[in-house]
Amino acid sequence: AQSVTQPDIHITVSEGASLELRCNYSYGATPYLFWYVQSPGQGLQLLLKYFSGDTLVQGIKGFEAEFKRSQSSFNLRKPSVHWSDAAEYFCAVGPNSGGYNKLIFGAGTRLAVHP
Amino acid sequence: EAQVTQNPRYLITVTGKKLTVTCSQNMNHEYMSWYRQDPGLGLRQIYYSMNVEVTDKGDVPEGYKVSRKEKRNFPLILESPSPNQTSLYFCASSAKYGQRETQYFGPGTRLLVL
Repeated sequence: AQSVTQPDIHITVSEGASLELRCNYSYGATPYLFWYVQSPGQGLQLLLKYFSGDTLVQGIKGFEAEFKRSQSSFNLRKPSVHWSDAAEYFCAVGPNSGGYNKLIFGAGTRLAVHP
Repeated sequence: EAQVTQNPRYLITVTGKKLTVTCSQNMNHEYMSWYRQDPGLGLRQIYYSMNVEVTDKGDVPEGYKVSRKEKRNFPLILESPSPNQTSLYFCASSAKYGQRETQYFGPGTRLLVL
């Protein structure tokens, strides 16, 4: 079955500390991979995506993610967290053709940032 | 400005009273989707559309209907709402995959069914 697992429901970090959010997936074919952020009261915004090529992808707001095929993982990282990064983060997988209309989302990780 | 709009943003209704949540995009996108978001479950897709008059079920379509008569609009219809449809609903639109393409989400519609 196709699925996305985000093992951490809540994470708290101090401002300026590094961050890693975990994402594991189960998918029959080679997937496309995505990370979204949802700020309080807002819709989702795409942070970054992996289609092919370099397994380390850069996104907006200083985020990056690394695709590890052998571990079926696509973890999100940021070297230094800012208070404005407090939000909920969703990992998603989708088919490697077409559009964004068949994405499967994880349950999300809520990030809190201490000053 | 690229935009997905949803109306209403908040809605309280009673069981069985038909309602429609509208979704409109101004980017001429082919693909549109409806999701519901519930705590601990992430986003689950209700229906999606790949173009005008082309729609298909997502993961949780029961109790919902959609139509795509115009490219820009993709309304979500609850013919007979029930309390288990209380949720936060998002509409999204996108073009086909591309390095420069992204998926745009609306601001959400919070629905309470009594």
